[in-house]
Amino acid sequence: DSGVTQTPKHLITATGQRVTLRCSPRSGDLSVYWYQQSLDQGLQFLIQYYNGEERAKGNILERFSAQQFPDLHSELNLSSLELGDSALYFCASSVSGTGSTDTQYFGPGTRLTVL
Amino acid sequence: AQSVTQLDSQVPVFEEAPVELRCNYSSSVSVYLFWYVQYPNQGLQLLLKYLSGSTLVKGINGFEAEFNKSQTSFHLRKPSVHISDTAEYFCAVGRLGNTGKLIFGQGTTLQVKP
Repeated sequence: DSGVTQTPKHLITATGQRVTLRCSPRSGDLSVYWYQQSLDQGLQFLIQYYNGEERAKGNILERFSAQQFPDLHSELNLSSLELGDSALYFCASSVSGTGSTDTQYFGPGTRLTVL
Repeated sequence: AQSVTQLDSQVPVFEEAPVELRCNYSSSVSVYLFWYVQYPNQGLQLLLKYLSGSTLVKGINGFEAEFNKSQTSFHLRKPSVHISDTAEYFCAVGRLGNTGKLIFGQGTTLQVKP
């Protein structure tokens, strides 16, 4: 158990819908990262938040957005869903996030299926 | 820009045999290198990381990796594998800077056979 929790574990929805994925980092970790894992794209970095502020952005679509709240939990919002958005979404956390030397601890993931 | 190439998508091996999972990276700046393991239906777990210093890095579960700057490689090795090592292994690269962004390879599935 990494100490990172993600809810829900599974999510099935229809095209055009909007969903919210939630992540609680390990106690004491200030950074949260979101990754998308799909068969064709592999594991891709989406976005990083550090202590409530956006720190880095990857290949995140404009239909996707994220935020980190004062209690440090994070939410990833996916809207106007398409079939291709079906994937496993991981959240990870690290102590600082001010450099890549930190170990990132991954949650168990949320499996999103868009029908 | 950085990129990571894992040269084998699948590596079948018999139990107690040695294994090497290959990883090459490209970057114009200094990088940090990681190996993560993903067991079925679980999140990723760090096996080991190279930040600086000795090029031979030892990790958990008997794994080790060697950083080779001239060949831009970071291959993962284990002298004797167990059935429980069956999993997907990811090589990742991060860079010096003010973010923790990691770029992952496509993954290598290690299949340990009895």
